[in-house]
Amino acid sequence: GNSVTQMEGPVTLSEEAFLTINCTYTATGYPSLFWYVQYPGEGLQLLLKATKADDKGSNKGFEATYRKETTSFHLEKGSVQVSDSAVYFCALRPRAGTALIFGKGTTLSVSS
Amino acid sequence: GAVVSQHPSWVICKSGTSVKIECRSLDFQATTMFWYRQFPKQSLMLMATSNEGSKATYEQGVEKDKFLINHASLTLSTLTVTSAHPEDSSFYICSARDGGQDSNQPQHFGDGTRLSIL
Repeated sequence: GNSVTQMEGPVTLSEEAFLTINCTYTATGYPSLFWYVQYPGEGLQLLLKATKADDKGSNKGFEATYRKETTSFHLEKGSVQVSDSAVYFCALRPRAGTALIFGKGTTLSVSS
Repeated sequence: GAVVSQHPSWVICKSGTSVKIECRSLDFQATTMFWYRQFPKQSLMLMATSNEGSKATYEQGVEKDKFLINHASLTLSTLTVTSAHPEDSSFYICSARDGGQDSNQPQHFGDGTRLSIL
């Protein structure tokens, strides 16, 4: 079946530190991959996506590369800010038209 | 950007009552809507997929008579939790997408509804 596994949180970093949140997936075929972010008190927002192998999604300084050989889509940012504190969800869409399947979410807390 | 409005954001009610949650797409036509349930420290679990004008498709293990979904228009879907009991307490999130059933358009999410059954 299709599933997403992401690293357990919480992740606690100081401002300007490097961030990596690991995400691996299991899927048949060629899924699309996503990272969503949920800021405190708000709904999920699309952060970035990649639709095929070797694609790199990027937004707001965050990046993730679709690695089919390792079935991974790790989220990275070179220098985090306090405003990046949120819950990050990795997700996959098995094929066009199907619903997103989510990981459990990773809480990121950045302190100044 | 696309906005999905979900209402109410928080509801507390007595065991045995029915609760209706609304999900509206404000600036696009939501051909397809999805309902998720989230337990504390757990991922979002897909409950059902509804296409406008059609019956909802429920995921395995989700009771369709307990969780009634209506998607009568391109901008509104409702989830009714019938005869709610404490085990139905959870965080419910709706998501909407435009395009056809095979659309690759992104899903947009509501802010969620926290349901507490006493």
